This record gives sequence, C-alpha cells and structure tokens, in this order.
Amino acid sequence: DAGITQSPRHKVTETGTPVTLRCHQTENHRYMYWYRQDPGHGLRLIHYSYGVKDTDKGEVSDGYSVSRSKTEDFLLTLESATSSQTSVYFCAIRGEGGDNQPQHFGDGTRLSIL
Amino acid sequence: GDSVTQMEGPVTLSEEAFLTINCTYTATGYPSLFWYVQYPGEGLQLLLKATKADDKGSNKGFEATYRKETTSFHLEKGSVQVSDSAVYFCALRDDKIIFGKGTRLHILP
Repeated sequence: DAGITQSPRHKVTETGTPVTLRCHQTENHRYMYWYRQDPGHGLRLIHYSYGVKDTDKGEVSDGYSVSRSKTEDFLLTLESATSSQTSVYFCAIRGEGGDNQPQHFGDGTRLSIL
Repeated sequence: GDSVTQMEGPVTLSEEAFLTINCTYTATGYPSLFWYVQYPGEGLQLLLKATKADDKGSNKGFEATYRKETTSFHLEKGSVQVSDSAVYFCALRDDKIIFGKGTRLHILP
C-alpha cells in the first residue's frame, strides 16, 4: 500500500467552526490531491498541489483552502464549516512518470457538520 | 470538456456469474484509462489501466480493453466472487484525471 495517512479518520463538528484535515505521505511524491465523495456525484476534486507551496483549485474549491509547506503534508482547511461540506474526504498522491501514472488514495476522513 | 459515463448501479449478481460494467468516455486528447475499486470504509485502489488504444488492462481476473473507435473501456470478469462486492470507478487522465460516478456491485453467495 502507498504510504498515505489521513487524519482524523472521523470528525463531527458544528456549523461555523474551522476544520483542518491532514494528509501525510511517505512516498516523496510531488503531486497531492484532495477530493470529496458524495452520493450521486462520485469523486470531485477540491484542490491539488504540484509541489511545496504550489497549489491550484479544482472543480469544487469554494469554502476550502489548502497549504503545503513540506513535501509530505497537504492540509485541507474549512475556514467556517457548513452543513453542505458534510462528506467523505480523500487525499491522493501521484508520482512522476507522466500522465499514465495512477493516483493512490488514503482511506478517507468522514466529516459531519451539524 | 472531458467526461466519463459509467452504468448506474447497483448491480446485483450471483456468485460465479459473468460481469460487465460499461464505461464510455469523451476526451479531446489521447487519455490513459483506469478502473479503480473501493471496498467499504477504504479509499480507491487502482484495479487496472490502459494507456493507448487496443491495450488490455488486467488484474485479479478483471479485464478491460481500450476501444478508441467506440470510446469505451468496459470492465469484465468471467466469474465473480462475493469478495468482489465493492464500488467500481472508471477514470480517464488527459490533462487531469476525471472519475465516473461509480457503480456499486453486490455479489450474492
């Protein structure tokens, strides 16, 4: 298994609170991604990173920010959580080697916003 | 823009039945194609991939052939097992990776 650890694995919090999810990798891969998974929508890309301090928006980035201060960690922050952000969040990594390289996924964080 | 369409589930089969999960795509370039599998409580795992037309990806008894003429990448398995119960995602990678919405497969003993 690719060395990807997401934390926490489960979190319940209230609307309006800040939340930070962490993705940690031990593969030294350049590319890291945050997705959310919701019924009927599959996986949707929130933000991604192509190197330390290099990040870009995905298709559903509103309400989320990210930071990557070192290769191994990619943080996803909900500045003021809303109930619509209740979801399962997955981190993924990808190595070099061109576009035919697959992504490897963490086990997910189940986030509930009450 | 690029997109992936896969058959809606859930798909319910008996053990040892033949499986097909359809996947078609639209892309402006020449994408690589992937099938991922997600078991309950886990993240997605790469099942197989194909990087050019007529390539066949295979793994764990599953196969899929990259058909450029029909823009398809259908997943097949000759004899499914209860342990194959999971959600299956078709995906393409051109300038970015795009996933289908997933097909839930349920195998009855």
